[in-house]
Amino acid sequence: AQSVTQPDIHITVSEGASLELRCNYSYGATPYLFWYVQSPGQGLQLLLKYFSGDTLVQGIKGFEAEFKRSQSSFNLRKPSVHWSDAAEYFCAVGARSYGQNFVFGPGTRLSVLP
Amino acid sequence: DTEVTQTPKHLVMGMTNKKSLKCEQHMGHRAMYWYKQKAKKPPELMFVYSYEKLSINESVPSRFSPECPNSSLLNLHLHALQPEDSALYLCASSQEGAEGGTVNYNEQFFGPGTRLTVL
Repeated sequence: AQSVTQPDIHITVSEGASLELRCNYSYGATPYLFWYVQSPGQGLQLLLKYFSGDTLVQGIKGFEAEFKRSQSSFNLRKPSVHWSDAAEYFCAVGARSYGQNFVFGPGTRLSVLP
Repeated sequence: DTEVTQTPKHLVMGMTNKKSLKCEQHMGHRAMYWYKQKAKKPPELMFVYSYEKLSINESVPSRFSPECPNSSLLNLHLHALQPEDSALYLCASSQEGAEGGTVNYNEQFFGPGTRLTVL
């Protein structure tokens, strides 16, 4: 079965600084990969996804992520963080094979200092 | 319309009450999901409906009873809940679904959730 780890439980950055949130997955083949963002008390919003093709994926709100097969990683990046980016970020993997579910990582909470 | 709606936004109920959560989407999606999310945790899958049939039940207690009246609607009926069932309940939908419990790997669109408190 697939699994997802997000090594950083909580990250604090200053507004305007760059950001990288880490995501590692375990899966026997090329997975479908997603990053979602959740503001407090809200539902999840899809930031970006990777299915195939170009390994650098552009998303909404200025985010991008890079799929690295050799490292089983799908890290999320943003060159300049805004205060409104403070939220919980979840990496998720959807398998391509029969009988396996969509799995979320534990999440990384992002705090932004003014 | 690219939205998943959920009602109510908030629900407070006693342990002897019966209530229902409602989810609706008009994107033509054929798979719909219920998730439970506790504070500071990722969503946990509860149920998956694919083409209006229950395809996955993640060993959820019977006090939670899902229902899919048609392809746009998903309900979660609640009865005799416990305080530990207090959580944010999220509904999601995705474009493809398949019968027999196969995985759905398309992106999932989430509703805003229902904040449930069980007293």
